[in-house]
Amino acid sequence: EAQVTQNPRYLITVTGKKLTVTCSQNMNHEYMSWYRQDPGLGLRQIYYSMNVEVTDKGDVPEGYKVSRKEKRNFPLILESPSPNQTSLYFCASSYKDGIAYEQYFGPGTRLTVT
Amino acid sequence: GQNIDQPTEMTATEGAIVQINCTYQTSGFNGLFWYQQHAGEAPTFLSYNVLDGLEEKGRFSSFLSRSKGYSYLLLKELQMKDSASYLCAAMDSNYQLIWGAGTKLIIKP
Repeated sequence: EAQVTQNPRYLITVTGKKLTVTCSQNMNHEYMSWYRQDPGLGLRQIYYSMNVEVTDKGDVPEGYKVSRKEKRNFPLILESPSPNQTSLYFCASSYKDGIAYEQYFGPGTRLTVT
Repeated sequence: GQNIDQPTEMTATEGAIVQINCTYQTSGFNGLFWYQQHAGEAPTFLSYNVLDGLEEKGRFSSFLSRSKGYSYLLLKELQMKDSASYLCAAMDSNYQLIWGAGTKLIIKP
């Protein structure tokens, strides 16, 4: 089954404790992206990757890191989480050929930082 | 700057028709997407328009006017399962998506 998976789905942590949210896709997509979603603000892009070893900042990259060592994986790293990073996080992937760049989203990771 | 505007919330009756509007301002334009998102779930793709006009897909249709920076999503024969948020997103000249905050659609029996 074609899908994007994220782990963990729920995470409660404390300020300053490093964490990683994993994202993996099995569709051989070149493009992958991380978003955060907060009430009233919609989806905001954190980082994106056009292909292996190529990453770029989105709209809200501060406090986050990513890596793209393999095509299928795109982990999101919070080196020192803070309460303002409490949010719902989505990973997404898509092809980059053709004109309709439909994105496939993972199920989401609900992160709470206390 | 780049901006997407859509209503925060709309209410409609089961079996009726509803139109959700979206206006956009982007640096260049490479198409307009609509996604559906049920509460607590991931967004799922509904439609993509890059040329002016109406695209029909079952009960859902999407319209685009590039000259007006305007799109709408039309939902017919509303069902209770259509209660969700509907996200409008425009793709700019760098192929990056600019997302609206979403329209929460409430369906009443």
